[in-house]
Amino acid sequence: DSGVTQTPKHLITATGQRVTLRCSPRSGDLSVYWYQQSLDQGLQFLIQYYNGEERAKGNILERFSAQQFPDLHSELNLSSLELGDSALYFCASTLEGDYGYTFGSGTRLTVV
Amino acid sequence: DAKTTQPPSMDCAEGRAANLPCNHSTISGNEYVYWYRQIHSQGPQYIIHGLKNNETNEMASLIITEDRKSSTLILPHATLRDTAVYYCIVRKNNYGQNFVFGPGTRLSVLP
Repeated sequence: DSGVTQTPKHLITATGQRVTLRCSPRSGDLSVYWYQQSLDQGLQFLIQYYNGEERAKGNILERFSAQQFPDLHSELNLSSLELGDSALYFCASTLEGDYGYTFGSGTRLTVV
Repeated sequence: DAKTTQPPSMDCAEGRAANLPCNHSTISGNEYVYWYRQIHSQGPQYIIHGLKNNETNEMASLIITEDRKSSTLILPHATLRDTAVYYCIVRKNNYGQNFVFGPGTRLSVLP
């Protein structure tokens, strides 16, 4: 157990639907990062939050959004889902000044 | 951030040392070399990082050449559980910098 908790572990949904993925960072970590891993794209950085504020954006689609709440957990919202959104979604957390990220075990999203 | 080049795959016999190379010829002076690994579809796991000195921890050793243009991750006694994709990443340690993962090296530890 890395200390980063992601729920749900698996999610199957239909095209056009909206889903929310949840991440609870390690205790004390203020930064949360979201990554997407699909078969043909590898690990792609989506977005970073630090203590409730957005800090960096990567290849995140406009249909996707995220937020970090006062208790530091984060949610990634994916809407108007397409087949190509099927992927593993990982959350990672870190304390400012840490060198490495701690990743969660991921949410496997399947869009049918 | 500087790009890295890794072989797509490698094999290693169980119990032997696994030496995973990484080229980062355009690395700049303030960029660190990081190694992560990903076992099957689990979340990536931090292994080790360094700036210019060789580093060792309970998981692995990192050897960085004097000109810093390449490095080698060494797993001293590979086990079957070390079968994974290993990522070499070069990154500044500035606030907000993210890890950019390439395709990595798929290491297969063979019995």
